[in-house]
Amino acid sequence: NAGVTQTPKFQVLKTGQSMTLQCAQDMNHEYMSWYRQDPGMGLRLIHYSVGAGITDQGEVPNGYNVSRSTTEDFPLRLLSAAPSQTSVYFCASRPQGGTGAFFGQGTRLTVV
Amino acid sequence: GDSVTQMEGPVTLSEEAFLTINCTYTATGYPSLFWYVQYPGEGLQLLLKATKADDKGSNKGFEATYRKETTSFHLEKGSVQVSDSAVYFCALSGAGAGSYQLTFGKGTKLSVIP
Repeated sequence: NAGVTQTPKFQVLKTGQSMTLQCAQDMNHEYMSWYRQDPGMGLRLIHYSVGAGITDQGEVPNGYNVSRSTTEDFPLRLLSAAPSQTSVYFCASRPQGGTGAFFGQGTRLTVV
Repeated sequence: GDSVTQMEGPVTLSEEAFLTINCTYTATGYPSLFWYVQYPGEGLQLLLKATKADDKGSNKGFEATYRKETTSFHLEKGSVQVSDSAVYFCALSGAGAGSYQLTFGKGTKLSVIP
């Protein structure tokens, strides 16, 4: 049971480059989300989706795009990377009800 | 809006010491409450949860009780081990159907020394 799979685990980008962080879950969860984790800031919600074809913005959406064409996949796109986007990114999925979320292993992104 | 406040770290304890990490929340209605743990270099893992007032969540020797009257969900463990060294996050999920979003505290780093 793979759970939530994120790729890549590490990435270095130059300022202005674009890239896509991949996230896939095999638990048929409706809800998926992306967070970034920065020292002293906890986890901040970037974007989320409550089902295929439905996405919405979280607390810190600027500079990121998402789409949800299938239940399984929820990629995060950085349009034009900036040093302020250096962070650890986590994807999570969650079923309906009171169950907690399942997290991927994270992607450590450095923008130089 | 919803918010979670947890004690600032880092916390350093000797092995077999008693652990308390305080967590208080602000939310309308009756949210679900969670503690997550993050080991170095890994993602977050659900440690325990409680979905209604006076519920006690427990796992791996850790406990937390949902206190509606004090809006708290403090994490406790009677005897910590070196392997408990990690960052601990308190989180809540709002009440009502379709409330998927989690609101996290800023995390508390625990270091346990032999």
